[in-house]
Amino acid sequence: DAGITQSPRHKVTETGTPVTLRCHQTENHRYMYWYRQDPGHGLRLIHYSYGVKDTDKGEVSDGYSVSRSKTEDFLLTLESATSSQTSVYFCAISESSPGQPYGYTFGSGTRLTVV
Amino acid sequence: AQSVTQLDSHVSVSEGTPVLLRCNYSSSYSPSLFWYVQHPNKGLQLLLKYTSAATLVKGINGFEAEFKKSETSFHLTKPSAHMSDAAEYFCVVSDNSGTYKYIFGTGTRLKVLA
Repeated sequence: DAGITQSPRHKVTETGTPVTLRCHQTENHRYMYWYRQDPGHGLRLIHYSYGVKDTDKGEVSDGYSVSRSKTEDFLLTLESATSSQTSVYFCAISESSPGQPYGYTFGSGTRLTVV
Repeated sequence: AQSVTQLDSHVSVSEGTPVLLRCNYSSSYSPSLFWYVQHPNKGLQLLLKYTSAATLVKGINGFEAEFKKSETSFHLTKPSAHMSDAAEYFCVVSDNSGTYKYIFGTGTRLKVLA
């Protein structure tokens, strides 16, 4: 998607190893989000950021950490990957303001398999 | 707390017939609501959004949705289905507290029969 890229697109990793997924935007949007998508669950929020060094937990944050040292980059780290973290991960960006939620722009996703 | 329920996990329609995908929401204040579409192995694309302006919202590709506060519904419709509409559709309610977190429904997979 224009203005937002995720890397890698696909990754296979072993149980117990750390993994970092990267989200990069060129839109200078304030808000960035990490979601995971699993069948029957829709998308669930892992962590989000509302500015450089400002992050907070979502509904499924256990086992994940994030960092945002620059406006354009939002990193998601699986500290010690488990098979339950096999999923498709989506990053999203937004530049909403009070009363005017503009909607998200999503990245293309990262398919992560933990074996 | 906010939540959204998509009432059908799968919907099948014949090409050229109307599409109805149902969504009910729960919100303690006036919500913002969205519909997104995801084609196989693709990302999510915004179809339309409701942000307290007109209750009938028109989106891309001929889709529209009507916000009904009394019924807490935001159903997605299209008069005539096309084969290219086959995809998964997500209803979303936005947290307007300032962080604009989305709460997703579990999705409705639309199948279009020739």
